[in-house]
Amino acid sequence: EAGVTQFPSHSVIEKGQTVTLRCDPISGHDNLYWYRRVMGKEIKFLLHFVKESKQDESGMPNNRFLAERTGGTYSTLKVQPAELEDSGVYFCASSQVGGRKYNEQFFGPGTRLTVL
Amino acid sequence: DAKTTQPTSMDCAEGRAANLPCNHSTISGNEYVYWYRQIHSQGPQYIIHGLKNNETNEMASLIITEDRKSSTLILPHATLRDTAVYYCIVDPGGTYKYIFGTGTRLKVLA
Repeated sequence: EAGVTQFPSHSVIEKGQTVTLRCDPISGHDNLYWYRRVMGKEIKFLLHFVKESKQDESGMPNNRFLAERTGGTYSTLKVQPAELEDSGVYFCASSQVGGRKYNEQFFGPGTRLTVL
Repeated sequence: DAKTTQPTSMDCAEGRAANLPCNHSTISGNEYVYWYRQIHSQGPQYIIHGLKNNETNEMASLIITEDRKSSTLILPHATLRDTAVYYCIVDPGGTYKYIFGTGTRLKVLA
């Protein structure tokens, strides 16, 4: 079974440009999450989708970030316009909770974003 | 939110058991404890989870104290490949929003 995949693995852009990150969750996982680690900081939650709906976007830093999950499958995270402080590693995770009370999330390899 | 406290770093000799502690004194009755690790810059890797009973899988064992205020992850025979940052996470109130702390940087020594 394929794990969570992310594309691209690395992106280098200039300040003010737009970048779109993509995440393909594990097949059948309704829950999809975005996290990020910026330089020297801890991994922080950004948002959570259940199928195509945003369940919790409390971690999104500002309105330059837009996440979508069309059709409840893959998700994109767009940063427009990118700023220097957006540099970091963006992780995607997915999980399938169903009727269970616990929720192990499976993480992708991350996208390293560098804004110059 | 339930928070966790872990030692910043630990060393372990190759082939020996690595015991990684975690304090989660504010945990609620229905909150699970999860352990993940991050090797280099890879994505966090799921290891194990538990609620109140001790758990074991092919990777590790998880010992949770009776009062659930702390737990210990045990890697029974550490190898050099186990060198990583280990995170203890408590899902705050079932929100599914993991809160990562600084974790424990485990170094397995040859």
